[in-house]
Amino acid sequence: GNSVTQMEGPVTLSEEAFLTINCTYTATGYPSLFWYVQYPGEGLQLLLKATKADDKGSNKGFEATYRKETTSFHLEKGSVQVSDSAVYFCALKGGEYGNKLVFGAGTILRVKS
Amino acid sequence: NAGVTQTPKFQVLKTGQSMTLQCAQDMNHNSMYWYRQDPGMGLRLIYYSASEGTTDKGEVPNGYNVSRLNKREFSLRLESAAPSQTSVYFCASSDRGPSGANVLTFGAGSRLTVL
Repeated sequence: GNSVTQMEGPVTLSEEAFLTINCTYTATGYPSLFWYVQYPGEGLQLLLKATKADDKGSNKGFEATYRKETTSFHLEKGSVQVSDSAVYFCALKGGEYGNKLVFGAGTILRVKS
Repeated sequence: NAGVTQTPKFQVLKTGQSMTLQCAQDMNHNSMYWYRQDPGMGLRLIYYSASEGTTDKGEVPNGYNVSRLNKREFSLRLESAAPSQTSVYFCASSDRGPSGANVLTFGAGSRLTVL
C-alpha cells in the first residue's frame, strides 16, 4: 500500500547551514507529493508540492524534486534560519488510497543561532 | 480570517468518559477531515466528509464517530474514551472533494489525554 518514509530526527543545524530532509515513498501509479510544515503550537501548512515526475516544488527558499526513478522527494534549503525550526511532513496523494493524503512520521528541525 | 477553528485546545478525560471535539471552517470548503497525530506515526486519517451530508471512514476509525452538522461544521465524538486515544487531533478542510482535493487547511489541534 501507499507509504511515506522520512529520515528520523531531530535534525539540529546552525543558522545558514544547508538542509536536507530525506523522503521516499511507496505507491502505485503516479502520486502527487507534498511537504507540509508544522510550526510550534500550530496546525500543518502546505509548504510545497509536485504533481508529476521531475517537477520541482519550491517555496520560502525550500525546494524538492519529484524523482520517480528513486521514488524520492527530498526537501532542501540552502541556508536555514532560526524561524525554520518546525516539524516537516512529507505526504503523498494517489494510488491505493485515491485522493486522501498519506503522511510520513515527520522530522523535527531545530536551528540554532 | 479564522480558517479552521477547533475546540477545545486541551482536554483531560478519564477512561470511559465521552466527549466531542468541535471543528468549524469559514472558507466554504466542501471537504472536511479528522486526523490524529502520534509520535513517530505522522498523521492518520480517522474520518472524512467529502461534502455536507456524507461521512466515510479513514485509516483508524474505531472508537470514534463523526457528524457533518452543516457545510461549516464537522464534529468528532469519543463515546467511551480509552488511553489509546490519547493524541493530538487535527481537523482540516479542503476546497474540492477528495477526488480533487489537493491542499488541506488545518486547525491548530486539540490535545486530548485519557487517564
